[in-house]
Amino acid sequence: EAQVTQNPRYLITVTGKKLTVTCSQNMNHEYMSWYRQDPGLGLRQIYYSMNVEVTDKGDVPEGYKVSRKEKRNFPLILESPSPNQTSLYFCASSFSAGTYEQYFGPGTRLTVT
Amino acid sequence: GENVEQHPSTLSVQEGDSAVIKCTYSDSASNYFPWYKQELGKGPQLIIDIRSNVGEKKDQRIAVTLNKTAKHFSLHITETQPEDSAVYFCAANKGGGTSYGKLTFGQGTILTVHP
Repeated sequence: EAQVTQNPRYLITVTGKKLTVTCSQNMNHEYMSWYRQDPGLGLRQIYYSMNVEVTDKGDVPEGYKVSRKEKRNFPLILESPSPNQTSLYFCASSFSAGTYEQYFGPGTRLTVT
Repeated sequence: GENVEQHPSTLSVQEGDSAVIKCTYSDSASNYFPWYKQELGKGPQLIIDIRSNVGEKKDQRIAVTLNKTAKHFSLHITETQPEDSAVYFCAANKGGGTSYGKLTFGQGTILTVHP
């Protein structure tokens, strides 16, 4: 089944404790992206990757890191999480950037206390 | 950068009525406008999209219109059904050139269809 998977689905952590949210797709997509969803703000893009080893900032990259060492994986790293990073995070992938449908994962609900 | 404004934030209709959600964008270079539907507990899913060389596109009960001069686009759902209840997001992308990996979303509209 073609899909985007994220792990973990739920995470409660404390300020400053490094964490990684994994994202994997099995559709051989070139493009991958991370978003955060907050009430009243919609979906905001954190980082995106056009292909392996190519990443770029979205609209809200502060406090986040990403890497794209393999085509199928695009982990999101929070090196020192803060409470304002409490949010619902979505990973997405598409055949290519631009005018192609993005397929979203099921989301990761992160709480930072 | 691009800014997308979406209205209304909530919309309540009776089953069978029509629903209209409107978005405006700021960057005249944007030329691809998708709409995503998010059901409770799930990730968003594309329902329809439109490119700037087209003024209107239909797919069964849903349609999208685009006015490039005014920089706004709208989603129209006719004969609404309870299963249309969800959060709807509009988005804008340049479709090419620099920064075409960026996709900017609106704030979302919670649509409730009452039986």
